[in-house]
Amino acid sequence: ETGVTQSPTHLIKTRGQQVTLRCSSQSGHNTVSWYQQALGQGPQFIFQYYREEENGRGNFPPRFSGLQFPNYSSELNVNALELDDSALYLCASSPGGRLNTEAFFGQGTRLTVV
Amino acid sequence: KQEVTQIPAALSVPEGENLVLNCSFTDSAIYNLQWFRQDPGKGLTSLLLIQSSQREQTSGRLNASLDKSSGRSTLYIAASQPGDSATYLCAVEAGSYQLTFGKGTKLSVIP
Repeated sequence: ETGVTQSPTHLIKTRGQQVTLRCSSQSGHNTVSWYQQALGQGPQFIFQYYREEENGRGNFPPRFSGLQFPNYSSELNVNALELDDSALYLCASSPGGRLNTEAFFGQGTRLTVV
Repeated sequence: KQEVTQIPAALSVPEGENLVLNCSFTDSAIYNLQWFRQDPGKGLTSLLLIQSSQREQTSGRLNASLDKSSGRSTLYIAASQPGDSATYLCAVEAGSYQLTFGKGTKLSVIP
């Protein structure tokens, strides 16, 4: 049990719509990262938040955006959904700091865009 | 740009066998390497984390080694069991707290 929880577990949206995915970090973790995993591929880094500030971004367009809240929970928002956005979205939390960077992942949200 | 490769892509072994999964990365300037397990349609479970200054880590039947200079890591699973069947992913962190993953090795352990 990692302590990282994501909601919802599954979601179906129509192309062009907007979606919000949620993540509750493990207690005591101030760093949260989001990843996209297409079928048969490894996860791809979307972005990371540290103490409510974006702290790094992968090769994803601006329609992918996020928030981190004071309690370190986080949201991933995707606007103008495309069919290729269909994937498993994973949230990971870390304690932060260079001494312990082990990442703990949630169970993911399966997004299907039709 | 860091690239991570895992070989083989799939592996099928009879129960009880010892096995080795391989991971290679192109840029040796990493902070750590982490091995994960993923069951179908599920999230990632962290198995072992090796800091760049370490050579290996062990947890139960699992042993992971790291040779940073050659850009290689191996995950050794002893006495495999059907419950070990899953996809195993390795990921490296190169200082920005973001992980770069391989595509994984899908392991099937046949009873």
